Amino acid sequence: EIVLTQSPGTLSLSPGERATLSCRASQSVNSSYLAWYQQKPGQAPRLLIYAASSRATGIPDRFSDSGSGTDFTLTISRLEPEDFAVYYCQLYGSSPEWTFGQGTKVEIK
Amino acid sequence: EVQLVESGGGLVQPGGSLRLSCAASGFSFSKYWMHWVRQAPGKGLVWVSRIIGDGSSTRYADSVKGRFTISRDNAKNTLYLQMNSLRAEDTAMYYCARGGWLSMDVWGKGTTVTVSS
Repeated sequence: EIVLTQSPGTLSLSPGERATLSCRASQSVNSSYLAWYQQKPGQAPRLLIYAASSRATGIPDRFSDSGSGTDFTLTISRLEPEDFAVYYCQLYGSSPEWTFGQGTKVEIK
Repeated sequence: EVQLVESGGGLVQPGGSLRLSCAASGFSFSKYWMHWVRQAPGKGLVWVSRIIGDGSSTRYADSVKGRFTISRDNAKNTLYLQMNSLRAEDTAMYYCARGGWLSMDVWGKGTTVTVSS
């Protein structure tokens, strides 16, 4: 079973700053199988990035991802007020077939 | 507009059953994998189950295997989750989501399931 560990648990930043969120897999994975989601309080998750750096429809280019093997990063180049939320990484694997990380909360400093 | 609307949640006693529905609109439902994902209060996302477009293949998280059954009616553009032998730890918001490329690209707003006596 592959486990995804996200860090930090909470990131306190100011608007305009750069956010770097980590997602580490317990074993090497195909980067094309990794996706990232954003969830705001009281809302459903929203797909941000999938299949190795493909942004979902309507996602601005300040969101990007990188990484390979076991270490992956979601970067928000300049935080906008609407970016303060919880972010999850997700992996398509074998057992379980779909796995989420525990999430990173990006809060206003 | 692509839309998913869940229904069927509610309060149920431990050991009871509930059937969730997810009505899809705005896309060719039968062409897509569909998922159920849940989120306990204050916790993270947990994948529950998925079904492929024609319904011939399903997968489950170990925590629900043998108790939950995912199904779909492509003529009605509706996804289902039959939940039996419910436990307190099944209490969560349940989301249906459309399968994108190895991801979940459209989500419903969710339906709340509370298992309590």
